[in-house]
Amino acid sequence: DAKTTQPNSMESNEEEPVHLPCNHSTISGTDYIHWYRQLPSQGPEYVIHGLTSNVNNRMASLAIAEDRKSSTLILHRATLRDAAVYYCILKETSGSRLTFGEGTQLTVNP
Amino acid sequence: DAGVTQSPTHLIKTRGQQVTLRCSPISGHKSVSWYQQVLGQGPQFIFQYYEKEERGRGNFPDRFSARQFPNYSSELNVNALLLGDSALYLCASSLWAASTDTQYFGPGTRLTVL
Repeated sequence: DAKTTQPNSMESNEEEPVHLPCNHSTISGTDYIHWYRQLPSQGPEYVIHGLTSNVNNRMASLAIAEDRKSSTLILHRATLRDAAVYYCILKETSGSRLTFGEGTQLTVNP
Repeated sequence: DAGVTQSPTHLIKTRGQQVTLRCSPISGHKSVSWYQQVLGQGPQFIFQYYEKEERGRGNFPDRFSARQFPNYSSELNVNALLLGDSALYLCASSLWAASTDTQYFGPGTRLTVL
């Protein structure tokens, strides 16, 4: 499985934008980039995914580098409820298993 | 609509015992996957089932087994429990078993092995 590298932790202030980086230099041409997050005492929750183009949904935006070797999850206005571990995952085209790394622990300060 | 449900919520067992964990997928979802999450780490894939057939297996010993029923619910069985099996066991469901599917996770079953 292609690997991803994320910072262990990041901090943000409430109502400010948050940019969560992910490096995936060994990504293959057909790997999708998925982001999940896990709030305390809950199972992981799907956030967003993309292949080549930038993507937006109601939760976040995903900016993908032109060479696809890195991506950034953008939370436009962080809330206290966004405090969670964020996982960047490369999803293979064969099968639907998710290979989680350590993720980034996001702390949101009031 | 109900999300993925798992039972029991918490479970305490002793070494050498056997345990069965249960999962009900979202209505209409035909695929169920199981993950193990040890404290402080990301979830690790154990099994995926689709239409009652095993579609994938992670790097876990044969003490771990699973099955899917005609109603698409699933059970995960772990035999000869070890202290290291203490973890949060997560079930995820998806419509199909395709790579583009979004997986929806349940709240997990917290297993403690003493």
